[in-house]
Amino acid sequence: GENVEQHPSTLSVQEGDSAVIKCTYSDSASNYFPWYKQELGKGPQLIIDIRSNVGEKKDQRIAVTLNKTAKHFSLHITETQPEDSAVYFCAASIGDRLAFGKGNQVVVIP
Amino acid sequence: EAQVTQNPRYLITVTGKKLTVTCSQNMNHEYMSWYRQDPGLGLRQIYYSMNVEVTDKGDVPEGYKVSRKEKRNFPLILESPSPNQTSLYFCASSSAGLGGREQFFGPGTRLTVL
Repeated sequence: GENVEQHPSTLSVQEGDSAVIKCTYSDSASNYFPWYKQELGKGPQLIIDIRSNVGEKKDQRIAVTLNKTAKHFSLHITETQPEDSAVYFCAASIGDRLAFGKGNQVVVIP
Repeated sequence: EAQVTQNPRYLITVTGKKLTVTCSQNMNHEYMSWYRQDPGLGLRQIYYSMNVEVTDKGDVPEGYKVSRKEKRNFPLILESPSPNQTSLYFCASSSAGLGGREQFFGPGTRLTVL
């Protein structure tokens, strides 16, 4: 089955700097790659997603890039702010399901 | 307000005592799912449902049951809970199969089995 791995597991960044989280996946049939943000005490919430026919997608301070050949996709957060501190999950589609990575704890230091 | 609700939010129980965690969505979504979240293991899917009366196993279905008698409700049943089912549980819904559809998550249910 699909195996999704995230790196690094924890990331600390200074406020205003950029943060990058990378995910790798194993199933070449995967064609949908969302990123979810989970704030403390809440359920995950979709922040951005990308499909396999697109290499990059941007929404204000966040962007996602996809390299299908290498089977990896990355979340980029620019000009980080304290409210960006959260756990971020990547996922890859497997048919009608999603396989999630283990999550990255991002800490933005004021 | 469009949302997924879960009840209870917190539950402490003992081994073997049957329990049900309810999940309801008001978005007329066809697809619903249950996940458990454990430290270091991320989100793992327990069961999912593509529509009423259609359910399928996810990655970790052992020890759980589900039913989908109505479109809006998708309860999770633990017939005989064990301590290894202590976890944070999330229900989620989506407008269709997950071929590129956003999942909306509930607030979570923290379950402790003693």
